[in-house]
Amino acid sequence: GAGVSQSPRYKVAKRGQDVALRCDPISGHVSLFWYQQALGQGPEFLTYFQNEAQLDKSGLPSDRFFAERPEGSVSTLKIQRTQQEDSAVYLCASSLVTGVGYEQYFGPGTRLTVT
Amino acid sequence: AQRVTQPEKLLSVFKGAPVELKCNYSYSGSPELFWYVQYSRQRLQLLLRHISRESIKGFTADLNKGETSFHLKKPFAQEEDSAMYYCALDSNYQLIWGAGTKLIIKP
Repeated sequence: GAGVSQSPRYKVAKRGQDVALRCDPISGHVSLFWYQQALGQGPEFLTYFQNEAQLDKSGLPSDRFFAERPEGSVSTLKIQRTQQEDSAVYLCASSLVTGVGYEQYFGPGTRLTVT
Repeated sequence: AQRVTQPEKLLSVFKGAPVELKCNYSYSGSPELFWYVQYSRQRLQLLLRHISRESIKGFTADLNKGETSFHLKKPFAQEEDSAMYYCALDSNYQLIWGAGTKLIIKP
């Protein structure tokens, strides 16, 4: 079946522009996660949804970052007034249920470059 | 603080040799740990998880609470094992990740 998809795969933005990154999770998956992966590092947690509810946004680095999942399926991560330090790969993952030890399925990521 | 450390950025071994990728963690509760793998030009995928005690593609990992380690091992490396390997700690629903180890298997 179809896995997690993300679009666009690559995005180049000028500093100060707003960007929107889309994630389509696996159908029926309740949980959705966003991670940020800087070059040479492991992913870092940004935010988590259970259905349409955003239950944790503690990892969002600033108030320029905003995520939503209005109907409990597709999610969008928006970054306003992009800065060079926002350059990274943004990963989306989904999980069938929430709970310790459940596998998260990852999308291919969106590589954001801010010039 | 909760943390995962993978001390080796790069590990290079010959085909047929044993492989051990190190992972140490810091966590106050009972840890649930994963190994994820990313092959060239592919997405992150689960390799194995502590909770199910499985062996995938010949890899195993044992949780050592005394040494707070979850090292990944394989007795005989194969060329197709070349990839990035990440150790991750399940903190409720968040995954806390190590920086990854790039494994290169030389022919």
